[in-house]
Amino acid sequence: GAVVSQHPSWVICKSGTSVKIECRSLDFQATTMFWYRQFPKQSLMLMATSNEGSKATYEQGVEKDKFLINHASLTLSTLTVTSAHPEDSSFYICSAKDFGYGYTFGSGTRLTIV
Amino acid sequence: AQSVTQPDIHITVSEGASLELRCNYSYGATPYLFWYVQSPGQGLQLLLKYFSGDTLVQGIKGFEAEFKRSQSSFNLRKPSVHWSDAAEYFCAVGRGSGGYNKLIFGAGTRLAVHP
Repeated sequence: GAVVSQHPSWVICKSGTSVKIECRSLDFQATTMFWYRQFPKQSLMLMATSNEGSKATYEQGVEKDKFLINHASLTLSTLTVTSAHPEDSSFYICSAKDFGYGYTFGSGTRLTIV
Repeated sequence: AQSVTQPDIHITVSEGASLELRCNYSYGATPYLFWYVQSPGQGLQLLLKYFSGDTLVQGIKGFEAEFKRSQSSFNLRKPSVHWSDAAEYFCAVGRGSGGYNKLIFGAGTRLAVHP
C-alpha cells in the first residue's frame, strides 16, 4: 500500500532558527501533498496544498513567508518553519494523494521551539 | 461552506461492547467521506472511505460506516470493541474538483475502552 515517510519525527530548536520537515512518498508519485498542523487534543488544520513544480496554495491565515513549502519532485515535499518562535510549536503532519483515490498520512513531526 | 461535525468529543465503552461514532457533514455535492484513526503522537491511518455505490462501507480492523444522504451522516460502527481500539477518530470530507482535493476534518472523537 501507499506509504508516506515524514522526518524528523520530533525536533527541538532554539527560537529564531529555521527547521525543515520532509515528507516523502515511498512507493508512489505524489503530485499533490498537504501540510497540516495539529494542536494538542484538537483536530487537523490544513495549512497548505503543495503541488509538484508550482507554488503552494496556502489556507487563509497561514503565513506563507513563515511556512515555506517546496515540492521539487514527485516524491518529496518540504515544510520549512522560518525564524521559529515558541508559538510555532505544534504537531505537523503531511499527507499525499495516493493511487487509491485517497490520502496517505505521514507519522507527523513534533516541533518544539525553546 | 463545507464542514464536518463530530458531536461526541469523548466516548467510553467497555471492551466487547458495540460502538457507534457519529459524523455529520455539510457539503453541496456528493461527498467523498473518510474515517481516520490516530494513536497518540502518530499520524493518521485510514479506516475506510466512501465515494459512491453501496452505502455500507467495510473498512479495516472490523469497522464499517454507513452513508445516509437524507441525514447527511456517515457514522462509524464496530460490533465488538477491543482495548487496542482506544484512540482518536476523525471523520473527514473531501472537497474540491474530483471530490478529494482537500480534506476537511471534524473535531475528532476520543475513544476510551474499559477492560
